[in-house]
Amino acid sequence: AQTVTQSQPEMSVQEAETVTLSCTYDTSESNYYLFWYKQPPSRQMILVIRQEAYKQQNATENRFSVNFQKAAKSFSLKISDSQLGDTAMYFCAFMKHRNSGGSNYKLTFGKGTLLTVNP
Amino acid sequence: ETGVTQTPRHLVMGMTNKKSLKCEQHLGHNAMYWYKQSAKKPLELMFVYSLEERVENNSVPSRFSPECPNSSHLFLHLHTLQPEDSALYLCASSQELGLAVRLEQFFGPGTRLTVL
Repeated sequence: AQTVTQSQPEMSVQEAETVTLSCTYDTSESNYYLFWYKQPPSRQMILVIRQEAYKQQNATENRFSVNFQKAAKSFSLKISDSQLGDTAMYFCAFMKHRNSGGSNYKLTFGKGTLLTVNP
Repeated sequence: ETGVTQTPRHLVMGMTNKKSLKCEQHLGHNAMYWYKQSAKKPLELMFVYSLEERVENNSVPSRFSPECPNSSHLFLHLHTLQPEDSALYLCASSQELGLAVRLEQFFGPGTRLTVL
């Protein structure tokens, strides 16, 4: 079974600064997907960024980027130029690769990190 | 708002009541999911439907009964719940189960359930 650990229950950052959220995971799979989801106070969860484990290049989406360290099983999210609208719960999640068989559609989530961006 | 809607947004019920949560997706997806989100716990997958067929029941008590009449609608029927069932219940949909190029699950805003 897979597990996802987010060791920082809460973090805060000043507007316009950079912040990094940590995520580690445990799996015996060699190929898989990793995700960061954002859940603002309005509660609608949205996908921020996705990484495929067989791709060595770190994913980037505008101000959001990841540092994927496969050997260390680490998948951190960096938010640059933080904005007030980035205030939210951030969830790291794991999914087995579609060719892995079994329940390869299940998302395993961490407990989340509450990020507050201060003006 | 994404293409996944949930009603009601808030629900308070007694332990002897029967109620239903509704989810509707306007994205043309074939897979739908129910999750339970409790404070300080990871999201828990409850049920998964693919093309209206249930493919996952993640050891959920029988007081929760899902129904998927078509690929756009998903219900969660509730009866004789316990106070510990109070949580945010999230619905999600995806293009297909795991085999599609796009794996993103789109979430609804959730129903905040309080069981008295």
